[in-house]
Amino acid sequence: AQTVTQSQPEMSVQEAETVTLSCTYDTSENNYYLFWYKQPPSRQMILVIRQEAYKQQNATENRFSVNFQKAAKSFSLKISDSQLGDTAMYFCAFIVNFGNEKLTFGTGTRLTIIP
Amino acid sequence: KAGVTQTPRYLIKTRGQQVTLSCSPISGHRSVSWYQQTPGQGLQFLFEYFSETQRNKGNFPGRFSGRQFSNSRSEMNVSTLELGDSALYLCASSLEVATEAFFGQGTRLTVV
Repeated sequence: AQTVTQSQPEMSVQEAETVTLSCTYDTSENNYYLFWYKQPPSRQMILVIRQEAYKQQNATENRFSVNFQKAAKSFSLKISDSQLGDTAMYFCAFIVNFGNEKLTFGTGTRLTIIP
Repeated sequence: KAGVTQTPRYLIKTRGQQVTLSCSPISGHRSVSWYQQTPGQGLQFLFEYFSETQRNKGNFPGRFSGRQFSNSRSEMNVSTLELGDSALYLCASSLEVATEAFFGQGTRLTVV
């Protein structure tokens, strides 16, 4: 079975600080993609960052970066210089490269940026 | 480029009724997936369509069905609605298999 675990239901951080959201996953597959999605109060899921499992280099998108540890099946998201607009639910998810074409999501972390 | 469009945004239905939700994917995207989001169960996969074929189905009863048209637009139908079907239904489209999915704003279904 493929599972995603986000152990931090809620987090809060002061504006401009750095915060790291944790995610671990379990799969027996070797080829897969990992994602972090953001869901603000508007409800729309927005892709934050993507990582291919075959790439060793950690993905980076502006203030967002990941720490991908394939052997440990860990995929954490770091948000630098946090902004009020970063307040949202964050979901970690992955999809297997072939066969079972569905996103498996974690339970989410509610992140609040405090002014 | 227009994003994923879901209609309607909100629905209120009575137990026992049926409902049809619509999703128009991003132009050129052939894969459309549906997810149910509830506070208790989180995000759960319903089904995925690619070129009008259902390729994968989640663990939902047969009351949940869907289809995809030749223009890639998709509909999902829920028959004999139950109170527990109240949820946010999200549609996502992607260009190919196992690439990033782009989500619509969802349809909030309330069953009373």
